[in-house]
Amino acid sequence: DQQVKQNSPSLSVQEGRISILNCDYTNSMFDYFLWYKKYPAEGPTFLISISSIKDKNEDGRFTVFLNKSAKHLSLHIVPSQPGDSAVYFCAARDTGTASKLTFGTGTRLQVTL
Amino acid sequence: KAGVTQTPRYLIKTRGQQVTLSCSPISGHRSVSWYQQTPGQGLQFLFEYFSETQRNKGNFPGRFSGRQFSNSRSEMNVSTLELGDSALYLCASSFASGRSEQFFGPGTRLTVL
Repeated sequence: DQQVKQNSPSLSVQEGRISILNCDYTNSMFDYFLWYKKYPAEGPTFLISISSIKDKNEDGRFTVFLNKSAKHLSLHIVPSQPGDSAVYFCAARDTGTASKLTFGTGTRLQVTL
Repeated sequence: KAGVTQTPRYLIKTRGQQVTLSCSPISGHRSVSWYQQTPGQGLQFLFEYFSETQRNKGNFPGRFSGRQFSNSRSEMNVSTLELGDSALYLCASSFASGRSEQFFGPGTRLTVL
């Protein structure tokens, strides 16, 4: 049972444009959401997070939006750069087992010139 | 500050064998979590150790076990290896159990033949 879903396995975006990565979840106990970026042969790197009490969090070119009623979050990257090409994982924590992250299957982002 | 280190980086074993993977957390971090990454499944939580005690456990068979030492270094063991155990095993450390940010190591790529 996949509680965190990233339905797009891949996404291709031109440099300078906006990249939008989507994530859906089913567990209503999730109260904290994170995005990680992963390059080949490296571990995931934390990118940005959002608490369930907020609907938006910004950090430079990265913004995460949370729609609790739809159980949906998205990561916007503006403007996209070639160095952003990586696999992006959405992850969630629930209130009961806060140290355990539940990950989606990832979306491979390719930023083209 | 040195990051999370995992050894070995690559490992080839045959079915039925057992394997031990090692993780050294960031200095000062006391929590270590283990994840399995396979194609199509994303990262799946195995277990978390904090102060030498297992705090959380994922849905994996008893063949998967772990431990943590007094210096916070952790090992995970997989006995009676199966072909399906071929995966990237990632270790993440955090300062404390619960809501602290997790920092991932580069992983150990295990191939079971």
